[in-house]
Amino acid sequence: DQQVKQNSPSLSVQEGRISILNCDYTNSMFDYFLWYKKYPAEGPTFLISISSIKDKNEDGRFTVFLNKSAKHLSLHIVPSQPGDSAVYFCAASGRRDSSYKLIFGSGTRLLVRP
Amino acid sequence: DAGVIQSPRHEVTEMGQEVTLRCKPISGHDYLFWYRQTMMRGLELLIYFNNNVPIDDSGMPEDRFSAKMPNASFSTLKIQPSEPRDSAVYFCASSLEFGEAFFGQGTRLTVV
Repeated sequence: DQQVKQNSPSLSVQEGRISILNCDYTNSMFDYFLWYKKYPAEGPTFLISISSIKDKNEDGRFTVFLNKSAKHLSLHIVPSQPGDSAVYFCAASGRRDSSYKLIFGSGTRLLVRP
Repeated sequence: DAGVIQSPRHEVTEMGQEVTLRCKPISGHDYLFWYRQTMMRGLELLIYFNNNVPIDDSGMPEDRFSAKMPNASFSTLKIQPSEPRDSAVYFCASSLEFGEAFFGQGTRLTVV
């Protein structure tokens, strides 16, 4: 059973526009959420995270929003750049029950067109 | 720090052979994770360790898979015997207790 779901396998956006990547989770024990970016032939690299006590976290062009009632989070990239083209994974963990393992979604491939 | 180091980067082996993947976590990190990436299942957690002790191995697919962490700076994932369906990219990651996980570059395993 998929506890973390990314329902859009791909997304194409024009350079300069906003990219919105979505993620849903089912486990109410998750209280820490992360986004990772992955280029081909490389390991995932950490992008941004958010704790369940917040509903928004911003870092430069990247903002993560968390809607706990809907069990939904999203990553906004503004403005999008061609170098942002990669696969984006959301991940979740439940620290309250001392489970630090990260459960990943299946990823969304973002293409930013010049 | 050089980051998480995995070896080998690529491994091609014949079905039935033993395969050992290696990982050196970031110094000072007390959590170590092994993940497998496939087209069908994405990034799935196989096992993770805390302070060298296996905490959750529920993701290990079969008894053919085993993982060890003899000390804080080294871990292995072994597949014996290997099968073609084990072909995937295997990632090792490490983290502090309250931090993001840092991934190695992965080992691409091909079993023919």
